[in-house]
Amino acid sequence: QSVLTQPPSASGTPGQRVTISCSGSSSNIGSNTVSWYQHLPGTAPKLLIYGNSQRPSGVPDRLSGSKSGTSASLAISGLQSEDEADYYCATWDDSLNGHVFGSGTKVTVL
Amino acid sequence: QVTLRESGPALVKPTQTLTLTCTFSGFSLRTSGMCVSWIRQPPGKALEWLALIDWDDDEYYSISLKTRLTISKDTSKSQVVLTMTNMDPVDTGTYYCARSRRDDYNQFDYWGQGTLVTVSS
Repeated sequence: QSVLTQPPSASGTPGQRVTISCSGSSSNIGSNTVSWYQHLPGTAPKLLIYGNSQRPSGVPDRLSGSKSGTSASLAISGLQSEDEADYYCATWDDSLNGHVFGSGTKVTVL
Repeated sequence: QVTLRESGPALVKPTQTLTLTCTFSGFSLRTSGMCVSWIRQPPGKALEWLALIDWDDDEYYSISLKTRLTISKDTSKSQVVLTMTNMDPVDTGTYYCARSRRDDYNQFDYWGQGTLVTVSS
């Protein structure tokens, strides 16, 4: 069981906006920054968002992240077929003294 | 250019000990703030963080697997080694190593391609 809870799936048509939630607690999201990763089968996970809302170089601005209290969200605007993948949130947990990942969300482009 | 590459056996038998090596380049684990973690993904399941070693030789482990894991580093070889004892079929999955920096936001900014480990007799 993952420490951070994400919806198992999300979907949208091309051009739509999709939002993925990540729910945690005071010991993880509540006190540390959140990062988001895109994972395609057979490939290395790719960093999309760090520090709750920062985008690494090369990540398009139609991806955005936010955090409020013990929850975080990833929004994908202008959905494209290439966005079809699994998405994970992650952060540090002060009680567990280690990194924790979300349960993962599969995004489908209809 | 930062790269990481995992290596190790593709197949291990139940009860055996797994040893995986992460060989990296483009950064040094002597640099303050640098960390390397091991993360795995069982088939059809979520990513799971396993262990981390930092520039200061501090080690951190997943609480659920702590008794079975040991992480170590050879700075001169730019390698991080993970050993996992008493392997079981449920440990089958793809194992990744990834870099993070304590002085940044702790994100995993570079990952290896992963190595698939199957536990079967």
